[in-house]
Amino acid sequence: GAVVSQHPSRVICKSGTSVKIECRSLDFQATTMFWYRQFPKKSLMLMATSNEGSKATYEQGVEKDKFLINHASLTLSTLTVTSAHPEDSSFYICSAPVGGLNEKLFFGSGTQLSVL
Amino acid sequence: AQSVAQPEDQVNVAEGNPLTVKCTYSVSGNPYLFWYVQYPNRGLQFLLKYITGDNLVKGSYGFEAEFNKSQTSFHLKKPSALVSDSALYFCAVGKGWNAGNMLTFGGGTRLMVKP
Repeated sequence: GAVVSQHPSRVICKSGTSVKIECRSLDFQATTMFWYRQFPKKSLMLMATSNEGSKATYEQGVEKDKFLINHASLTLSTLTVTSAHPEDSSFYICSAPVGGLNEKLFFGSGTQLSVL
Repeated sequence: AQSVAQPEDQVNVAEGNPLTVKCTYSVSGNPYLFWYVQYPNRGLQFLLKYITGDNLVKGSYGFEAEFNKSQTSFHLKKPSALVSDSALYFCAVGKGWNAGNMLTFGGGTRLMVKP
């Protein structure tokens, strides 16, 4: 099946710094990628939809300037958490659809962000 | 707004016994329902979906789910659990079934299958 690679798997940073998370589709092209955030014992929350060559679409309540998304190529989307704060600590997961059906939604392995 | 509820944080079952992981949903219009499984250090994997048709949906790894419209439920089931089934399971509802439509996930249920 299709593979979505997410890097890094774990990152610890100081408050005020920025962190970039990469999501790559390894053997297929993804014009769209989704970014989710998962809180402990909470649901996966969709943050934004990343669109290749255009601006990302953010869900209500997600700060665009805080969570910068770039989808510059058909195989790479990046999420940058700018000026990170401890409350940004969470598990971030990307996904990419393959084909035209939601069930062919392949997920990255996630990034655990810890902001000190 | 659509929502999904998984009332159990954890389900414990002995190997060989049947298992059920519960899911209820709320959505306007026709529901598009999905189950995903998340193994440690791996991304979520698709198990099965309900779009239309038979209420009993069969999926990967011997799992099945029953769509019950009157109870707005989509419980995940397996007749005989394996230790390797131990993982985190997510129920999700979609706004549609085209790529580009987004999923709303339940909170997840951890399944523990003991030998």
